[in-house]
Amino acid sequence: AQSVTQLGSHVSVSEGALVLLRCNYSSSVPPYLFWYVQYPNQGLQLLLKYTTGATLVKGINGFEAEFKKSETSFHLTKPSAHMSDAAEYFCAVTSSSNTGKLIFGQGTTLQVKP
Amino acid sequence: KAGVTQTPRYLIKTRGQQVTLSCSPISGHRSVSWYQQTPGQGLQFLFEYFSETQRNKGNFPGRFSGRQFSNSRSEMNVSTLELGDSALYLCASSVLAGVGSYEQYFGPGTRLTVT
Repeated sequence: AQSVTQLGSHVSVSEGALVLLRCNYSSSVPPYLFWYVQYPNQGLQLLLKYTTGATLVKGINGFEAEFKKSETSFHLTKPSAHMSDAAEYFCAVTSSSNTGKLIFGQGTTLQVKP
Repeated sequence: KAGVTQTPRYLIKTRGQQVTLSCSPISGHRSVSWYQQTPGQGLQFLFEYFSETQRNKGNFPGRFSGRQFSNSRSEMNVSTLELGDSALYLCASSVLAGVGSYEQYFGPGTRLTVT
């Protein structure tokens, strides 16, 4: 079975500050990991993914995440927050044998203060 | 390339009725997955279709069903609607983007309100 835990349902940062959104996963098989962003009244937009290869992955809008197997983590970071980053962020896990089924964390709402 | 499209975008139904939602995947994507999003339960997997066959199913009652057509378009149906079925229903299409690479893209969703 697979599961995802996102630590902190709400995170607040100042504009220009570091963004760190935490995601820990549980998986009995090698995981595929994803971060999605959702703006109000919209669907989910893929930010970045880890499937195989390089453990530090870069995504859109300046976000990146590092897959750490020993810590079962896939935290999302951005060096400098922008007001437009305010949204809800979801971490998700699947595997190569189950790719059509994403298991999501509960989400983290990012607030960016001016 | 056009993204995932879902119709209708908004829907209001009465308890006991049934509803059908439609999803058109990105061209070339053969897998379509459906998810339910609610404030209380978050994002939950409903089912996945690949080449017109249900390949995976989540833990939802039999009132929730789906199908996929030969052109990969998919529909989901909810019968005997309950107030708790009010949610945003998201469709996603996916593709193996290369060896060990996989991507799933979401549509804008259908907001279903049951009164």
